Amino acid sequence: NAGVTQTPKFQVLKTGQSMTLQCAQDMNHEYMSWYRQDPGMGLRLIHYSVGAGITDQGEVPNGYNVSRSTTEDFPLRLLSAAPSQTSVYFCASSYTSGLQETQYFGPGTRLLVL
Amino acid sequence: ILNVEQSPQSLHVQEGDSTNFTCSFPSSNFYALHWYRWETAKSPEALFVMTLNGDEKKKGRISATLNTKEGYSYLYIKGSQPEDSATYLCATHSGAGSYQLTFGKGTKLSVIP
Repeated sequence: NAGVTQTPKFQVLKTGQSMTLQCAQDMNHEYMSWYRQDPGMGLRLIHYSVGAGITDQGEVPNGYNVSRSTTEDFPLRLLSAAPSQTSVYFCASSYTSGLQETQYFGPGTRLLVL
Repeated sequence: ILNVEQSPQSLHVQEGDSTNFTCSFPSSNFYALHWYRWETAKSPEALFVMTLNGDEKKKGRISATLNTKEGYSYLYIKGSQPEDSATYLCATHSGAGSYQLTFGKGTKLSVIP
């Protein structure tokens, strides 16, 4: 199993550009989520999905869209990038949405918005 | 959004020393407490998931305890080694019906050879 994969690893955007961060898992996990990690802030939840076709907002959803058309993929879209979205983004998944489930994290995407 | 606090923010210890740090969380509507280990330039990896008051978990030299009534968990590392250097994160859920995992800001441990 490849586990949780994320692409790209690094990206530089100009303000106003759009892009999609890709996340995929091959473990047949129901639950997937996106976090951003900023210095001094810890991991903050952006959006999550408890299964295909179901998404919901986390703590910091503004400026981001998600969709979950398949169990495997959970892309994160930035419609109009802003410098405040400069961050490291982590995708995570777990077998179910159960509160005791271990989260498996991807390697992260480092995004710089100029 | 829950308030999950970790202390200290950072810690330097000598190789061979034992150490511990704290995760504090609201005791009401408690469901589960997670500990993750996060090495620089890697992604967080799960250490423990704890659910019951008085729970103790152990993995090698690392152990954790849980007190749900007072809302805290301790992580202990016995005989710290340089490879234990990492940020240790705790996380818990936002309450009944919530699928949101709220993380603390972490404790950054540096073990000096």
